[in-house]
Amino acid sequence: AQSVAQPEDQVNVAEGNPLTVKCTYSVSGNPYLFWYVQYPNRGLQFLLKYITGDNLVKGSYGFEAEFNKSQTSFHLKKPSALVSDSALYFCAVRDRSWGGSYIPTFGRGTSLIVHP
Amino acid sequence: NAGVTQTPKFRVLKTGQSMTLLCAQDMNHEYMYWYRQDPGMGLRLIHYSVGEGTTAKGEVPDGYNVSRLKKQNFLLGLESAAPSQTSVYFCASSYLREPFGDEQFFGPGTRLTVL
Repeated sequence: AQSVAQPEDQVNVAEGNPLTVKCTYSVSGNPYLFWYVQYPNRGLQFLLKYITGDNLVKGSYGFEAEFNKSQTSFHLKKPSALVSDSALYFCAVRDRSWGGSYIPTFGRGTSLIVHP
Repeated sequence: NAGVTQTPKFRVLKTGQSMTLLCAQDMNHEYMYWYRQDPGMGLRLIHYSVGEGTTAKGEVPDGYNVSRLKKQNFLLGLESAAPSQTSVYFCASSYLREPFGDEQFFGPGTRLTVL
């Protein structure tokens, strides 16, 4: 079975400060990990993913995420937050091992609010 | 290239009425999905399809039916709408190519209210 947890319903950060949105996962084997962003009244947009290799993954809009296998985490980060980054962020996981689900599991989402 | 489109964008139903939501994708993706999004619940998978003519149940399939007669279309039906089905519905599609870990592409959503 696979699962993902986003422990924070909301993250508040001041514009210009670094931001972190947390995600932890559980899979039987090795994971594919994804981050998506949802702006108000819009569908989800893909930000970045981890497949294999380099633990630091860079994505759209200056976001990056760090895969940590020992802590089973995939936290989303950005060095300097913008007000326009305010949105709902979803982490997702898919077990890539043989016999694993082909369907990703999503976290409940974290609302990021960047204050001017 | 329109990506994933959904029809309609908004709909209000009375309890017991039926309707069909249409999802279309022009990326030749094998996989298609229907989710519902409710406050505090995140995204919940209703049904999905791994190819033309195939469908499977997700996490919350009760009260919904689906069909995938053409590869590019995935229909979600509500036979007898209930207020508990008031939600925002999202369609998504993706390839499934190992070991690329293909991401999903989402439509803009359908906001459904059942009175």
